[in-house]
Amino acid sequence: EAQVTQNPRYLITVTGKKLTVTCSQNMNHEYMSWYRQDPGLGLRQIYYSMNVEVTDKGDVPEGYKVSRKEKRNFPLILESPSPNQTSLYFCASSTGGPYEQFFGPGTRLTVL
Amino acid sequence: AQTVTQSQPEMSVQEAETVTLSCTYDTSESDYYLFWYKQPPSRQMILVIRQEAYKQQNATENRFSVNFQKAAKSFSLKISDSQLGDAAMYFCAYRSYGAAGNKLTFGGGTRVLVKP
Repeated sequence: EAQVTQNPRYLITVTGKKLTVTCSQNMNHEYMSWYRQDPGLGLRQIYYSMNVEVTDKGDVPEGYKVSRKEKRNFPLILESPSPNQTSLYFCASSTGGPYEQFFGPGTRLTVL
Repeated sequence: AQTVTQSQPEMSVQEAETVTLSCTYDTSESDYYLFWYKQPPSRQMILVIRQEAYKQQNATENRFSVNFQKAAKSFSLKISDSQLGDAAMYFCAYRSYGAAGNKLTFGGGTRVLVKP
């Protein structure tokens, strides 16, 4: 089954404790992105990758890091989480053009 | 930068009736794509319908159809014969033709309530 998986689905942590949210896709897609969803703001792109070892900032990259060492994986790293990073996070992948982006199931992160 | 605006935070519709969700966007580009995504309580993002800006014909997918007005920069979604399963958050999204990283720009969302 074609899918994007994220782990963990829920995470509660404390300020300053490094964490990683994993993302993996099995569709051989070149493009992968991370978005965060906040009430009234919709989804906003954090970082994206166009292929292995090619990443760039989206609209809200501050406080986040990413890496793309393999085509299928695109982890999101918060090295020192803060409460304003409490949000719902989505990973997405696509082939580009008019085709849809496939979204993961989301990760609900709470930073205390 | 492009912006997408959904002016209706919440809409209510009776089962079997029709509801229309509004979406406007701001862009100086001529080639782009527009999408409507559905987010049910499960939080999964589900593509409902897409429209390519160069196509004049409005897209239709079963009970879902759009009214795409390029000059007015408007992209409304009509849900006909509403069903209980249509209750969800709906997001309008824009993507430039050559968007770096295939970035989608989303509106703030409209919550649809379906009354039995």
